[in-house]
Order: sequence, then C-alpha cells, then structure tokens
Amino acid sequence: DSGVTQTPKHLITATGQRVTLRCSPRSGDLSVYWYQQSLDQGLQFLIQYYNGEERAKGNILERFSAQQFPDLHSELNLSSLELGDSALYFCASSVVPGKGYTFGSGTRLTVV
Amino acid sequence: GENVEQHPSTLSVQEGDSAVIKCTYSDSASNYFPWYKQELGKRPQLIIDIRSNVGEKKDQRIAVTLNKTAKHFSLHITETQPEDSAVYFCAASIEGGATNKLIFGTGTLLAVQP
Repeated sequence: DSGVTQTPKHLITATGQRVTLRCSPRSGDLSVYWYQQSLDQGLQFLIQYYNGEERAKGNILERFSAQQFPDLHSELNLSSLELGDSALYFCASSVVPGKGYTFGSGTRLTVV
Repeated sequence: GENVEQHPSTLSVQEGDSAVIKCTYSDSASNYFPWYKQELGKRPQLIIDIRSNVGEKKDQRIAVTLNKTAKHFSLHITETQPEDSAVYFCAASIEGGATNKLIFGTGTLLAVQP
C-alpha cells in the first residue's frame, strides 16, 4: 500500500456520460497530481493541485476538470466521455512540489 | 515547457546481462531526475533518483548517471534478472518549485530473457 488511495479501481461507462475519480493523498502530502496513461502509452500529466490551489495544467481536455478539497483529497471529473478517454488514471502525491512522488494504484476507466 | 525523450522504447536482454536506458531533458533548470518501474497493470514505483549536484548514484544493481552539460541521464541495471522485466520511465522536474511537476519520458519496455 503506497498510502495514496484511489477509488474506484475500475469503472465502465458509456460514451457521453460523466464520471468522478477520487484520490486521497498520503498523510502530510500537500501536492496532488493527476496523470493519464492510455494503452501502451506513457504518463501524460493532466493537472496539479497544491494545498487546495491549482498550480499547473498539462494536456487536460476542457471536458475534464479537477479540484482539491480542504481535507486535501482530490477529484477528477470527466464529462462527455469518448471512447478515446479509456485509460488508466493515476493520482500521485508529494510533500514538496516537484520531488519524487508516490502513485496510487490507479483507476481503470473503460468507455464503451 | 520541459520535454523528456527516452530511448530505447523496447530492450531485450539475456538474464545476467546489463541494460542501459537513456533520457534527455530540455529544461536546463531541471534538477531532479527520478526513475520509475511499472509492472503490467500496476502503479509506477520509484526505484532510484538523482539530483543535479551529483553525477552518479548507485543502489545495489541499479545506478543512474547524470550529465548536466549534455542534459542526459541514464539508468544502468547490472546482472539483470527476469523480475526486472517491466516498463521503466525516466522523469525530470525542478525540485521545490511551487508550480512544477514531473514530466515523464515515453517509457522503455525491458524484457529479460531467462
């Protein structure tokens, strides 16, 4: 157990739907990062939060949004889902932004 | 922004041989370079990291080297074993930067043949 908790582990949904992925960082970690990993692809950075504030955006689609709550857990919202959104979505957390961080086990999203 | 290139994309070695994976980064301000190992369907796990004030770091069979001038860093695995088979990712960031995140290379699939 890495200390970073992601739920759900698996999610199957239809095109056009909306889903929410949840991440609880390790105790004491203020930074949360979201990454998308499509089949046979690398880790694409989506967005970073630090202590409740958005700090950096990567290749995140307008249909996607995220937030970090006062208790530091984060949610990634994916809407108007398309087949191409099927991927593993990882959350990671770190104490210090930019320092090597710990990944959760991921949420595997399948859009059918 | 930062860009990290990683080569090769696939690497097959015989058990007991050495494996080398190379990465190049673009942002000269980057000062932190971790390596992650990802087994199929699992989360990436940090295996070793190096900071820009060090040229080489070793941990048992794994070593990482950094050439700041050339903006290159490499992962070396000696005496490879079948359990080393996985996808390896290099990454770069500016440690401590408030708005910085790890940018990953595209990954190397390492296959160690028994």
